[in-house]
Amino acid sequence: EDQVTQSPEALRLQEGESSSLNCSYTVSGLRGLFWYRQDPGKGPEFLFTLYSAGEEKEKERLKATLTKKESFLHITAPKPEDSATYLCAVQGYTGGYNKLIFGAGTRLAVHP
Amino acid sequence: GAGVSQSPRYKVAKRGQDVALRCDPISGHVSLFWYQQALGQGPEFLTYFQNEAQLDKSGLPSDRFFAERPEGSVSTLKIQRTQQEDSAVYLCASSASGSGELFFGEGSRLTVL
Repeated sequence: EDQVTQSPEALRLQEGESSSLNCSYTVSGLRGLFWYRQDPGKGPEFLFTLYSAGEEKEKERLKATLTKKESFLHITAPKPEDSATYLCAVQGYTGGYNKLIFGAGTRLAVHP
Repeated sequence: GAGVSQSPRYKVAKRGQDVALRCDPISGHVSLFWYQQALGQGPEFLTYFQNEAQLDKSGLPSDRFFAERPEGSVSTLKIQRTQQEDSAVYLCASSASGSGELFFGEGSRLTVL
């Protein structure tokens, strides 16, 4: 069964304090690994797709990396506006058409 | 439209009532998904449509849940005889292809009393 585990559950950072969020996954054939950002009361917003081990994607202060067992979302010099829940999801070749399996998320709070 | 639109945003139902939640996907998007999100958890897959065909309904928790997309655009998620455990945010998402880059609506928050 495809599964995604995210850690930590919650993270509090000072503005400018860099850190990383972890996403461990098991999937029977990875089609893609996805990172989403979710603000309170909103739907998730797409950030990145990673397809194969060794791949990296960057956007502003965020960088996502992928290995065969986990993905990291690195946040460099975060700002308060980066505060949100970050969700990781996988899409496999088996287990149903196109569906994403999400982790529970990491709630990030960045304080000035 | 500019994005995925869901209505109502908030719904309070008494246990045993039927509810209907509507989703207007981005125009031209072939794929449409429904997810359920409990407080503090990630979204959980309910069902998937490609155009009007419901290709995967493996995540629907019981036969009280029913989804349709008759003309391949607007979709409705119906929950019959609601129970307290149905309280959650119901998210609709669409995509132009079968990729995992989904565009989510803001969700419909259902509270069953």
